[in-house]
Amino acid sequence: GNSVTQMEGPVTLSEEAFLTINCTYTATGYPSLFWYVQYPGEGLQLLLKATKADDKGSNKGFEATYRKETTSFHLEKGSVQVSDSAVYFCALAKYTGGFKTIFGAGTRLFVKA
Amino acid sequence: EPEVTQTPSHQVTQMGQEVILRCVPISNHLYFYWYRQILGQKVEFLVSFYNNEISEKSEIFDDQFSVERPDGSNFTLKIRSTKLEDSAMYFCASRGGGLARTYEQYFGPGTRLTVT
Repeated sequence: GNSVTQMEGPVTLSEEAFLTINCTYTATGYPSLFWYVQYPGEGLQLLLKATKADDKGSNKGFEATYRKETTSFHLEKGSVQVSDSAVYFCALAKYTGGFKTIFGAGTRLFVKA
Repeated sequence: EPEVTQTPSHQVTQMGQEVILRCVPISNHLYFYWYRQILGQKVEFLVSFYNNEISEKSEIFDDQFSVERPDGSNFTLKIRSTKLEDSAMYFCASRGGGLARTYEQYFGPGTRLTVT
């Protein structure tokens, strides 16, 4: 079936460090891929998305490229800030009768000043 | 910017009681969803709803759960007899219709359900 695997956390970085959070997926066909962010005590916010192979999603300095050949959608940011501390969820959506979204387990990021 | 809203933000109930969680999806959206997130765990799909009927549901969505769109704006999740393990954050989401392949869903802020 369809699934998402992302690196376990927590990830702890110093401010201005480079961030990578790995995400791979299993799905037939061409799912849409997403990164969602959940700040402490809040709901899920869409961070970025990509709908086809080689698309690059970007927002707020974060980027991820849809790699069909490696079934990956790794999240990167060149210089993290303390305010980026949150849980990041990789997700895919594909028609399975209801266009549901399937989430990875989430990766908690702590950024120290 | 339009957004999905949910009420209440926090609901405390006793085991065996019925609860109704309410959501107001984005007004021109056609697909509606409920997800839940047990504390510290992944977000899990419960059910999707389109054209006034369930289009897909997970194994979690058993006979204790039901969904309804009672009017043109609300979308509700009912749990008939709550169990301790139903304690979780429940997220409502909605999606626009048409041929867009994005499948992007917009999530509400969640209702934290605590069953004691």
